[in-house]
Amino acid sequence: GNSVTQMEGPVTLSEEAFLTINCTYTATGYPSLFWYVQYPGEGLQLLLKATKADDKGSNKGFEATYRKETTSFHLEKGSVQVSDSAVYFCALSGSSGNTPLVFGKGTRLSVIA
Amino acid sequence: DTGVSQDPRHKITKRGQNVTFRCDPISEHNRLYWYRQTLGQGPEFLTYFQNEAQLEKSRLLSDRFSAERPKGSFSTLEIQRTEQGDSAMYLCASSPEGVSATIYFGEGSWLTVV
Repeated sequence: GNSVTQMEGPVTLSEEAFLTINCTYTATGYPSLFWYVQYPGEGLQLLLKATKADDKGSNKGFEATYRKETTSFHLEKGSVQVSDSAVYFCALSGSSGNTPLVFGKGTRLSVIA
Repeated sequence: DTGVSQDPRHKITKRGQNVTFRCDPISEHNRLYWYRQTLGQGPEFLTYFQNEAQLEKSRLLSDRFSAERPKGSFSTLEIQRTEQGDSAMYLCASSPEGVSATIYFGEGSWLTVV
């Protein structure tokens, strides 16, 4: 079945540091890939998505590129801020459009001033 | 657009009691999902509806769990004879139909079984 593996946290960075959170997936066909973010005490929010190979999703300075050859969708940001502290979830949905999202376990990011 | 709304936000119940959660999706969305999230884990799929039809149920959804979406609008998730292992956050989400459609989540309903 479909699955997502993302790097375990927690990740602690200083403000303005570079962020990478690794995500790899297993799926048949051509899934769509997502990053969701969960701020403390809040629900999940879509951060970015990519629906086909080589697509780059971007939002709020975050980027991720859909790499089919390495089955990866790593999240990056060039300069993190304290307000980026949250839990980040990588997820995929199957290519048929009738399968629900499958999530990774999440990576907690803490950014310190 | 008021987003996905869930009620109650927090529920503490005694083991063996029944609990019911309600979800109001974004009004034009015909798909509605239920997920469960425990501390330190990602959301796990429970079930989903397209309009009023329940299209898929996870093996996680034991016979103590039942979900309905009677008129294709709001949905309820009922847990009968709660157990301590049911303590989790129950997330509702909705989306329009379509491949790669964005799924929008509510803020969740926290359940604590004591």
